[in-house]
Amino acid sequence: AAGVIQSPRHLIKEKRETATLKCYPIPRHDTVYWYQQGPGQDPQFLISFYEKMQSDKGSIPDRFSAQQFSDYHSELNMSSLELGDSALYFCASSLIGAGIAFFGQGTRLTVV
Amino acid sequence: DAKTTQPTSMDCAEGRAANLPCNHSTISGNEYVYWYRQIHSQGPQYIIHGLKNNETNEMASLIITEDRKSSTLILPHATLRDTAVYYCIVRNAYKYIFGTGTRLKVLA
Repeated sequence: AAGVIQSPRHLIKEKRETATLKCYPIPRHDTVYWYQQGPGQDPQFLISFYEKMQSDKGSIPDRFSAQQFSDYHSELNMSSLELGDSALYFCASSLIGAGIAFFGQGTRLTVV
Repeated sequence: DAKTTQPTSMDCAEGRAANLPCNHSTISGNEYVYWYRQIHSQGPQYIIHGLKNNETNEMASLIITEDRKSSTLILPHATLRDTAVYYCIVRNAYKYIFGTGTRLKVLA
């Protein structure tokens, strides 16, 4: 069965650079969620989209932005990267009515 | 957002049942309880969810108290591969809020 695809799997950036993370949800899923997980921490909710509109927002820095496109894939854009942005970034998708969110394998971002 | 409270860690002997408790005393009437687990740094894996009735699937059982203020995830025959961090989550509309989770270690 198709799963949530995230790319790239690993990314190394320098401070003050920009990074773009991509998420391809399970086909027919209408909701996408983004999470950040720092070293030794629990996943923190960043933002979600339902039918291409932002549906909820968590502790997402102003330097980060995200959107969901017409084909339902989503991108998380991160600018002015800081060392503290080094983390695993997970994307999940669901059918809003069914409720079960399936997570991708994550993108490991390292800022040097 | 409803908060969840779980033990920080638990050990379980291989082959025995693992019972993982969770308190969610501020849960609203229409909010579901979800359980996920995370093995190493992999993406969280869905286990089971429920509203008010007990639920069972091929992975686990979920027991929810009548007042819905707590629940227990039961892994009936734990194996070494069940070693993971288990998260109890109260789903809020468009987000799943992870708490601190229980680090379950299954011992040979």
